[in-house]
Amino acid sequence: GEDVEQSLFLSVREGDSSVINCTYTDSSSTYLYWYKQEPGAGLQLLTYIFSNMDMKQDQRLTVLLNKKDKHLSLRIADTQTGDSAIYFCAESKGSSASKIIFGSGTRLSIRP
Amino acid sequence: NAGVTQTPKFRILKIGQSMTLQCTQDMNHNYMYWYRQDPGMGLKLIYYSVGAGITDKGEVPNGYNVSRSTTEDFPLRLELAAPSQTSVYFCAIKGDSQETQYFGPGTRLLVL
Repeated sequence: GEDVEQSLFLSVREGDSSVINCTYTDSSSTYLYWYKQEPGAGLQLLTYIFSNMDMKQDQRLTVLLNKKDKHLSLRIADTQTGDSAIYFCAESKGSSASKIIFGSGTRLSIRP
Repeated sequence: NAGVTQTPKFRILKIGQSMTLQCTQDMNHNYMYWYRQDPGMGLKLIYYSVGAGITDKGEVPNGYNVSRSTTEDFPLRLELAAPSQTSVYFCAIKGDSQETQYFGPGTRLLVL
C-alpha cells in the first residue's frame, strides 16, 4: 500500500474546526509535515512535528502525533474561507531523514 | 519561493522528444528533490540528492535522469517523453536542519 495515506475530501462549516487525518507506515520517520497547496500554486509548509513529540500548537493549527498507531492529524481551529486548499501530509525517511514522501492530499472545502 | 528557481514554467513536448527541466537554488542547501504532481493527485518523489555528486532514486524514477555537479543546480532530464509524463514538476530544497523544505514554483509539462 501507499506509504502515507489521507482521505481525499473534507467539508466543514465556516467557523468550525477542521481535522485532517493521515496514516504513515515507516515507524522510523523522523519528521512529519503538513503542507498546504492553493489552486494553481506550489506547496507551502504549514507546520511540522518531530517524532518524539505528541503535540505541537501554532496559532490556529494543532498537530497531534500518535506514534504507536502511526497516525498524524492537523486541526485547524475557526476554519475560514481562506483555508480552502489541499493539505498534504509528508514523512521523512531514510538515512539522515533525507527522503520525504507525500500523501495524496486532502481537499478541504468550507461551507458558509 | 525562497530562492528556488525552475525553468521553463510551461512546455509542450512531442512523444519521443527530450528535454531538461532546470532547478537552481541560491540558499546553499545540500538537499534537493524532484517531485511530479499529476492532475488531482499528490506528489511523487522522482529523484533526490543529499549533496553535490550524490543522487538517489525516489518512488517513480523510471524515464528520468538527474545529475548534481554543483550545490546550486539539480537538472531533471527526460530522454524519451511519453504522455504518462504529462504532469507538474516541482523542485524542492532542504537545509541540514531537517525541518523546512522549500518548493519552487513548478514546471507544467504536456506531452502530446
